[in-house]
Amino acid sequence: DQQVKQNSPSLSVQEGRISILNCDYTNSMFDYFLWYKKYPAEGPTFLISISSIKDKNEDGRFTVFLNKSAKHLSLHIVPSQPGDSAVYFCAASARASSNYKLTFGKGTLLTVNP
Amino acid sequence: DTAVSQTPKYLVTQMGNDKSIKCEQNLGHDTMYWYKQDSKKFLKIMFSYNNKELIINETVPNRFSPKSPDKAHLNLHINSLELGDSAVYFCASSQGSLGGRGETQYFGPGTRLLVL
Repeated sequence: DQQVKQNSPSLSVQEGRISILNCDYTNSMFDYFLWYKKYPAEGPTFLISISSIKDKNEDGRFTVFLNKSAKHLSLHIVPSQPGDSAVYFCAASARASSNYKLTFGKGTLLTVNP
Repeated sequence: DTAVSQTPKYLVTQMGNDKSIKCEQNLGHDTMYWYKQDSKKFLKIMFSYNNKELIINETVPNRFSPKSPDKAHLNLHINSLELGDSAVYFCASSQGSLGGRGETQYFGPGTRLLVL
């Protein structure tokens, strides 16, 4: 049961352009969303997050947008740089018992071409 | 200094064997996690410990047993390994138990397990 979906397995953009990575979720109990970035042979690293009380969160070149009615979020990277080439995981959390576990999507491989 | 380390990085073993993966964090965090990334690339939570107490225990075969000797260590022991156990196993840690609520989870580099 895929509660967090990243339907694009890969995305290729030119350096300096915008990268837009998309994520859809099905569980209406999710109320906190995160993006993680993963380089080969490394563990995921936290990038940016957003609470369901907001519709946008910005951190430097990275902006996450949340559309609760569509159960959709997106990560915008502007401008894209070759060092941004990595797998990007969308993750969501909902209260489960007294803890908050993360449910991850399958990831999108972003390639930024020089 | 590596924040979250795992050993070994690679593990190739035969079906039926018992193996352990070790995880250590030097961040002073209270909570540690084990995730499994299977062939379909999903990262799924398996277990979480907060101050040596089990707080998340997903539907995982009881051949998998986590052990937390202290706050800085969370080891994963797997009995009677099966082909389907082949995956990448990631350890992670966070300051508190709200690892999905803005408390960043720091991941280790992963252990690539191949069961033949």
